[in-house]
Amino acid sequence: KAGVTQTPRYLIKTRGQQVTLSCSPISGHRSVSWYQQTPGQGLQFLFEYFSETQRNKGNFPGRFSGRQFSNSRSEMNVSTLELGDSALYLCASSSTAGGNEQFFGPGTRLTVL
Amino acid sequence: TQLLEQSPQFLSIQEGENLTVYCNSSSVFSSLQWYRQEPGEGPVLLVTVVTGGEVKKLKRLTFQFGDARKDSSLHITAAQPGDTGLYLCAGARHSGYALNFGKGTSLLVTP
Repeated sequence: KAGVTQTPRYLIKTRGQQVTLSCSPISGHRSVSWYQQTPGQGLQFLFEYFSETQRNKGNFPGRFSGRQFSNSRSEMNVSTLELGDSALYLCASSSTAGGNEQFFGPGTRLTVL
Repeated sequence: TQLLEQSPQFLSIQEGENLTVYCNSSSVFSSLQWYRQEPGEGPVLLVTVVTGGEVKKLKRLTFQFGDARKDSSLHITAAQPGDTGLYLCAGARHSGYALNFGKGTSLLVTP
């Protein structure tokens, strides 16, 4: 069974731009969660989608948004990028809504200049 | 405020040594997971503990969930260079709720 895939793996943007990251979950998994990982804050929960609906949301500004498609693939969007948005963005899938055993993708490394 | 505190933050040991990593909180968790993350990769799930006092073994790794379900430990026996990585604990306050992650313990095992 193929694992979680994320594209692109690396991204360089400038302040003020927007970015869209993509995640394909493990086949059959309907829950997709997004996390931001930085050296200072560690892994922080952004949001979770299940069956195209946002179930949970972390404490991030509205510039961070996401969506899930009918095939369970998910995208997250960050608008008006700030330097502090530079991070590793991780996507994780789970077989159940709010499933605590999560399977992570390799992440997208976003650098904001 | 970090819900889960991990210690130590960094650990550098030689091959063959034993070590213990701790994950502590003042909150009760319905379950707790341990993940290992290697550079350039996402975290990989090692184990889930659910019952207070539970002990699980995975080869040379022993995981324990505290009786009160507020803390956990990971003990590695005879560490090997392949154990090098970032060890993360994560807990859910209630089943179906979002996971809270500790900041991790970065382990380096040298030959």
